[in-house]
Amino acid sequence: DVKVTQSSRYLVKRTGEKVFLECVQDMDHENMFWYRQDPGLGLRLIYFSYDVKMKEKGDIPEGYSVSREKKERFSLILESASTNQTSMYLCASSLGQFPVRGYTFGSGTRLTVV
Amino acid sequence: AQKITQTQPGMFVQEKEAVTLDCTYDTSDQSYGLFWYKQPSSGEMIFLIYQGSYDEQNATEGRYSLNFQKARKSANLVISASQLGDSAMYFCAMSSSNTGKLIFGQGTTLQVKP
Repeated sequence: DVKVTQSSRYLVKRTGEKVFLECVQDMDHENMFWYRQDPGLGLRLIYFSYDVKMKEKGDIPEGYSVSREKKERFSLILESASTNQTSMYLCASSLGQFPVRGYTFGSGTRLTVV
Repeated sequence: AQKITQTQPGMFVQEKEAVTLDCTYDTSDQSYGLFWYKQPSSGEMIFLIYQGSYDEQNATEGRYSLNFQKARKSANLVISASQLGDSAMYFCAMSSSNTGKLIFGQGTTLQVKP
């Protein structure tokens, strides 16, 4: 089975810190995505990437950046963390745009910014 | 702009009965994919079912079926013979051939009553 691993399940960071959230997939998927999940808002797309060194803005990219230096790893960066970035962050990957077995998700990182 | 709308924040169903979770979408793409995911309280995202925009038959996966009405832009999930373990949040999602994005609705919380 494809596995998507997010490096931390829980993180607590201080306002103004630079925060790195890491996501690694082990099945050579070209597409990778970062979402944040907030109650009542569903999953909102932050950034996605369809190849190494390629990145595209999602619907809420402000305050975030990403890095994809290797195919298997997609990093989300909060340059200067703020309290409104407290959220659950989910990473996903896929082979192609219409995978009949769905996109594969990591288990999530719950980030608290204090 | 592409959008997914789930109008039912919360639903109740009696065990062993069928339930329909609503999903409407908006896109100008001709080619797109529709997905349903289940998120139990543990937080993992579990893929349930996929429907391609050119698929003529409604998708089915065990107790899950997708009622795809293309002209109405709806992709409702039908769960037959509900079980207590079906209690969870359910998300409808759409992938776009033009943008490469995978976007989600706000989610519906389903509670199955014994």
